[in-house]
Amino acid sequence: DTAVSQTPKYLVTQMGNDKSIKCEQNLGHDTMYWYKQDSKKFLKIMFSYNNKELIINETVPNRFSPKSPDKAHLNLHINSLELGDSAVYFCASTTPGQRAEAFFGQGTRLTVV
Amino acid sequence: GNSVTQMEGPVTLSEEAFLTINCTYTATGYPSLFWYVQYPGEGLQLLLKATKADDKGSNKGFEATYRKETTSFHLEKGSVQVSDSAVYFCALGKAAGNKLTFGGGTRVLVKP
Repeated sequence: DTAVSQTPKYLVTQMGNDKSIKCEQNLGHDTMYWYKQDSKKFLKIMFSYNNKELIINETVPNRFSPKSPDKAHLNLHINSLELGDSAVYFCASTTPGQRAEAFFGQGTRLTVV
Repeated sequence: GNSVTQMEGPVTLSEEAFLTINCTYTATGYPSLFWYVQYPGEGLQLLLKATKADDKGSNKGFEATYRKETTSFHLEKGSVQVSDSAVYFCALGKAAGNKLTFGGGTRVLVKP
């Protein structure tokens, strides 16, 4: 059983399009995240939701809109895609508390052409 | 704010060599510290963690000790294998939102 699954794994699209990435976790965790990994492998948090409520929103263009229909799902919608949005996007969920252990999805490689 | 600094790669080693990846952090309070590993084409996996000063995390032959006095969490392995080739990330976690702050990653390449 996959703990954190995201779809699609690869996404190639043209500039200006709107696309979504879906994420689901079956671990029963309350907190979920989106991270962006750039071409140099640098990882940065974008959003965090706790039990469907947004708790972290880093400096991310408002073209990016997360949606959490329930605590097991956190989707990422991106409007008006730009070349600079090309990256690998990782979904994650964590156990509660400061000793939180994060479980990551396989990543979605987004290429904007 | 919180930050993590780790040595830049790539680190290229021969099989059975000793591996050290340095990691230092800046944080208020007492964060938890983690090492994650990313194998080619995959997501991140937790390798080991330590939640308080002087704790030693260990897994798969890797070890790291939480050193509060030097704000460090260096990763070591005594004898690497080709299968250890991956990118290694040091990270710290804080209670507020359980947000993880990552270092820049260190690519390790082990040659036979």
